[in-house]
Amino acid sequence: GENVEQHPSTLSVQEGDSAVIKCTYSDSASNYFPWYKQELGKGPQLIIDIRSNVGEKKDQRIAVTLNKTAKHFSLHITETQPEDSAVYFCAATNYGQNFVFGPGTRLSVLP
Amino acid sequence: GAGVSQSPSNKVTEKGKDVELRCDPISGHTALYWYRQRLGQGLEFLIYFQGNSAPDKSGLPSDRFSAERTGESVSTLTIQRTQQEDSAVYLCASSLVSAWSGGEQFFGPGTRLTVL
Repeated sequence: GENVEQHPSTLSVQEGDSAVIKCTYSDSASNYFPWYKQELGKGPQLIIDIRSNVGEKKDQRIAVTLNKTAKHFSLHITETQPEDSAVYFCAATNYGQNFVFGPGTRLSVLP
Repeated sequence: GAGVSQSPSNKVTEKGKDVELRCDPISGHTALYWYRQRLGQGLEFLIYFQGNSAPDKSGLPSDRFSAERTGESVSTLTIQRTQQEDSAVYLCASSLVSAWSGGEQFFGPGTRLTVL
């Protein structure tokens, strides 16, 4: 089955700096890699995702990169703002099978 | 329009009782997902439906868990003979098409289940 690791578990950055969260996966058949943001007391929200046929995807200040050979993918947040503070989860799945989440990264953006 | 709704919002039950959790997806969304999140922990994928069928049920934690969906709309997650380790927030999400086919998932507010 799939196994997803996520690092770091906690991350503190100064407002305006960039934040990078990395995930590795084990199942080479995985082809869909979403990232979720969960603010305190709220449900998760999909913020960006990437499929195995592309290496990078960007949406304003958020980008995700995928290296299928090395089986890792990363979330990049630029120009961080206090409202980016949350727990971020990565996940990997093969068309909904073996849908496994990483343990999460608590990001704190310090003003 | 209306988002994903879940009921009840909170459920307290005694160990050994059965519980039924309900999810009303956004109208027209063919894909529906169930997740579990224990307190202070990460997300755990349980099952997803494409239409009324669930292609893969292997994410359900045990045979005490079952889920169904009717009319490509409402879904119910049933937990039989609840155990204390079932205590968690159960989240439902839906998307127009499956997430891995490009559908954007929208999450409901969750049902907080407490098993005493």
